[in-house]
Amino acid sequence: NAGVTQTPKFRILKIGQSMTLQCTQDMNHNYMYWYRQDPGMGLKLIYYSVGAGITDKGEVPNGYNVSRSTTEDFPLRLELAAPSQTSVYFCASSYPGLSYEQYFGPGTRLTVT
Amino acid sequence: AQSVTQLDSQVPVFEEAPVELRCNYSSSVSVYLFWYVQYPNQGLQLLLKYLSGSTLVESINGFEAEFNKSQTSFHLRKPSVHISDTAEYFCAVSENQAGTALIFGKGTTLSVSS
Repeated sequence: NAGVTQTPKFRILKIGQSMTLQCTQDMNHNYMYWYRQDPGMGLKLIYYSVGAGITDKGEVPNGYNVSRSTTEDFPLRLELAAPSQTSVYFCASSYPGLSYEQYFGPGTRLTVT
Repeated sequence: AQSVTQLDSQVPVFEEAPVELRCNYSSSVSVYLFWYVQYPNQGLQLLLKYLSGSTLVESINGFEAEFNKSQTSFHLRKPSVHISDTAEYFCAVSENQAGTALIFGKGTTLSVSS
């Protein structure tokens, strides 16, 4: 299994541009999450999904949108990029079993200038 | 709502010395507790977790953490660190039900030098 994969690894955007961060998992996990990591701030939840067609906001959803049309994919959309969205973005997934572990992707480093 | 406080942002130690990374949490419900490790330019990996049962949990690489309900703490310890343990460590908490998102602390950078 590849686990959780994210593309791209790096991206530079200009203010006002839009882009989609891709996330795919091949573990048949029901739950998927998007976090952002800022220096000295830990990780904060942007959006999450408990299954295909079901999404909900996390702690910091403003400026982002998500969709979940399949179990495997959970893309994160930035419509009008702002410098405050400069961050490292992590996608994660989990399965409602005994381990409760979340599996993380390698991250996307985004810079908005 | 839950919150996590990691009491030290940076912990410098010498190789083979013991280390403790402190984590306190607050919650009005029962929780699960986790320690994740992030090596430079990588994603997060689960180090160990407490779900129920024995309050002392161990990882395969010599770390251990003890759940202390009365002190609402989940401190991470290792009796003898290696250079390769240099990384950022995150304590996280979630409600004790499947699929709940994690609440992370701000992280502790462990720097091991020779």
